[in-house]
Amino acid sequence: DTAVSQTPKYLVTQMGNDKSIKCEQNLGHDTMYWYKQDSKKFLKIMFSYNNKELIINETVPNRFSPKSPDKAHLNLHINSLELGDSAVYFCASSRFDRRGEEGYTFGSGTRLTVV
Amino acid sequence: DAKTTQPPSMDCAEGRAANLPCNHSTISGNEYVYWYRQIHSQGPQYIIHGLKNNETNEMASLIITEDRKSSTLILPHATLRDTAVYYCIVRPTLRGGSEKLVFGKGTKLTVNP
Repeated sequence: DTAVSQTPKYLVTQMGNDKSIKCEQNLGHDTMYWYKQDSKKFLKIMFSYNNKELIINETVPNRFSPKSPDKAHLNLHINSLELGDSAVYFCASSRFDRRGEEGYTFGSGTRLTVV
Repeated sequence: DAKTTQPPSMDCAEGRAANLPCNHSTISGNEYVYWYRQIHSQGPQYIIHGLKNNETNEMASLIITEDRKSSTLILPHATLRDTAVYYCIVRPTLRGGSEKLVFGKGTKLTVNP
């Protein structure tokens, strides 16, 4: 039933490690996104992919590498994790139809803690 | 940067209408007003959007002023489950491609029993 699902929900790891967060949507949407919500609760876009093509890259360090194997999946790999990477990461997807409706849908988030 | 201004917090009694204001004085002609909310520890949830006409759906009503420089989200009968941070966002709706959402600080609505 879940529309946009992320795994894992919680991730605790040490500085310097490499980790991945996976996202899948079953809505048939053609655009997927990664957003980051920091400790001050500001929610900012990181990346978006449309039909597996990178569309938006918002000045994110190149330690972050998104990968979209197909339209339904957008994974986020993070190398050499730093304390400042601790945040909640949200995956989202959207589509556009003739009425301009989007169906923008967010996942439930992955809480990453770097120690 | 967000193009909207919202009060940081509001309170509402359960069962009463919650009216959440938003100022967007620099809105462009092709930009829509969107409202999302984020319940604690969950992802943002779409509520409603509009261009210039008032809109209503099963969740809320959206009232946009004639000059489009401000709007009000109305939750007609607030419940405790409506306690959340509400975000007002202005952006164009494009056919095809992708569009990012630029979130401001939002309004923390607390519904009290």
